Amino acid sequence: GDSVTQMEGPVTLSEEAFLTINCTYTATGYPSLFWYVQYPGEGLQLLLKATKADDKGSNKGFEATYRKETTSFHLEKGSVQVSDSAVYFCALSDQGSGYSTLTFGKGTMLLVSP
Amino acid sequence: GAVVSQHPSWVICKSGTSVKIECRSLDFQATTMFWYRQFPKQSLMLMATSNEGSKATYEQGVEKDKFLINHASLTLSTLTVTSAHPEDSSFYICSASIRGYEQYFGPGTRLTVT
Repeated sequence: GDSVTQMEGPVTLSEEAFLTINCTYTATGYPSLFWYVQYPGEGLQLLLKATKADDKGSNKGFEATYRKETTSFHLEKGSVQVSDSAVYFCALSDQGSGYSTLTFGKGTMLLVSP
Repeated sequence: GAVVSQHPSWVICKSGTSVKIECRSLDFQATTMFWYRQFPKQSLMLMATSNEGSKATYEQGVEKDKFLINHASLTLSTLTVTSAHPEDSSFYICSASIRGYEQYFGPGTRLTVT
């Protein structure tokens, strides 16, 4: 079955540091890939997505590139802010079931200090 | 656009009672709604998928009689936790899908059973 593996956290960075959160996947077919962010006590917000190989999703300074050859979708940001502290979930969507079932990774907590 | 609300955002109930959580798509018609459960510092676990006007499809291991899901209209789905017990305490998140593709998430409901 489909699965998503992301690096364990917490990831602790100082403000303005470079961020990478690794995400790899296994799936049949050609899934769409997503990064979601969850702030404390809140639901999930879509951060960015990519629907086919070599697509780059970007939003709010974050970006991730759909790499089919390495089955990866690593999240990067050049300069993090304290307000970026949250839990980040990598996910894939396989429409083989006829609707958009999402498979989530376990989440990576990011803590950014001033 | 694509806003999903949940009500209540937080509920406390006594053991043995039932509690209903509402999920509404505010500005679109959702053909499919999903219910997730999230334990502290863990990923989202899909509980069930519901299509408007039909019975929900539950994931393996989720008790159908315990977690009643109704999707009466294209903008409303409800999750009723029946005879709640402390182990049902969790964060419940719904999402809604347009045309079976991208999911839009609600802000979540924190249930505490005393």
